[in-house]
Amino acid sequence: SSELTQDPAVSVALGQTVRITCQGDSLRNYYASWYQQKPGQAPILVIYNKNTRPSGIPDRFSGSSSGNTTSLTITGAQAEDEADYYCNSRDSSGNHVVFGGGTKLTVL
Amino acid sequence: QVVESGGGLVQPGESLRLSCAASGFTFSLYWMNWVRQAPGKGLEWVASINQDGSVKKFVDSVMGRFTISRDNAKNSLFLQMNSLRAEDTAVYYCARDRVVGASYSVGWFDPWGQGTLVTVSP
Repeated sequence: SSELTQDPAVSVALGQTVRITCQGDSLRNYYASWYQQKPGQAPILVIYNKNTRPSGIPDRFSGSSSGNTTSLTITGAQAEDEADYYCNSRDSSGNHVVFGGGTKLTVL
Repeated sequence: QVVESGGGLVQPGESLRLSCAASGFTFSLYWMNWVRQAPGKGLEWVASINQDGSVKKFVDSVMGRFTISRDNAKNSLFLQMNSLRAEDTAVYYCARDRVVGASYSVGWFDPWGQGTLVTVSP
């Protein structure tokens, strides 16, 4: 079982805003990062250090954090954003890295 | 970028060594990691190694069976997998930590390789 909990599936209408959440005790001490993975492809980093986007990631992707919950928000979701999204962080001991179970985002 | 190789089909109990070739950045300045994904499942962190190879971390399920190492002169990362089990079947990704010179693996992985498939089956 993962120390980080994500909703298995979320849907959003095209052009609307969606928030994907990740919960875990370790998030009180460590900033998570978020990854997008499309079928048959490797994951790519979309948010790290709470709300930093790597170059090339559209600014409709943003991150936030409060208490034991970190969130990825997509403002104005596009069809190409349909993918699996994973959060990760160091675990509660600080010695290991853990991933959330992933959230399948469907853009309607 | 990072490029994995070495995957394949092996029988339970056998060994396999994965390699990851890095380019385009100063390899010796970064923590490096292996992450795996079983078919149809989520991502699972497997192992991390610090810049000079003196610190290694493993997920509990591979402790004592897998070893991570690196050759900074050849910009290469390795994962030696022994006593393989069916549950080790997965695509194995090599990923670099994003933060240069970190004293621990921050867990922000970028970039990732395309992955190499390991299948453990009789």
